[in-house]
Amino acid sequence: GDSVTQMEGPVTLSEEAFLTINCTYTATGYPSLFWYVQYPGEGLQLLLKATKADDKGSNKGFEATYRKETTSFHLEKGSVQVSDSAVYFCALWMDSSYKLIFGSGTRLLVRP
Amino acid sequence: DTGVSQDPRHKITKRGQNVTFRCDPISEHNRLYWYRQTLGQGPEFLTYFQNEAQLEKSRLLSDRFSAERPKGSFSTLEIQRTEQGDSAMYLCASSLGGRVNEQFFGPGTRLTVL
Repeated sequence: GDSVTQMEGPVTLSEEAFLTINCTYTATGYPSLFWYVQYPGEGLQLLLKATKADDKGSNKGFEATYRKETTSFHLEKGSVQVSDSAVYFCALWMDSSYKLIFGSGTRLLVRP
Repeated sequence: DTGVSQDPRHKITKRGQNVTFRCDPISEHNRLYWYRQTLGQGPEFLTYFQNEAQLEKSRLLSDRFSAERPKGSFSTLEIQRTEQGDSAMYLCASSLGGRVNEQFFGPGTRLTVL
């Protein structure tokens, strides 16, 4: 079945470091891809999305490009801040299904 | 605040008791979803409503679980005869539907079964 695999965390970085969180997917068709973020004590928030191959989603300095050839949607940010510390979830959605399928999440800790 | 709201935010119950959670979606959203999230895992789909019709249920949703959306607005999720394995965060989301189904999540209800 359809699935999402994320790199395991925690990822610990110093402020202003470059961030990459890997995400790959398995799907029978052409899904839409999402990154959600969950700050401590809060609900999931949509961070960015991409709906077709080669689309780049971006928001708040974060970017991810939908790569069909490698079935990937890696999250990147050029300079992280302490306030970016959170859990990041990659997810996919198919036209034929109602549900989002999530990866297991990657915890990011940014140190001052 | 016009986001998705859930009530209660926390619930502690004893094994065998029944619990009910409520979700109020964004007002113009006709689609509503329930997910369950356990510690260290991503959310897992439980069930989906389009207006008042429950269109899909996960096999995770055992016979002890029931969900309703009686007037196509708020929804309730009831768990009967709770078990310790039911301890989790229960998340509600809503969306407008359409080609790209962007779902907006509530803060969740954390259930602890003692």
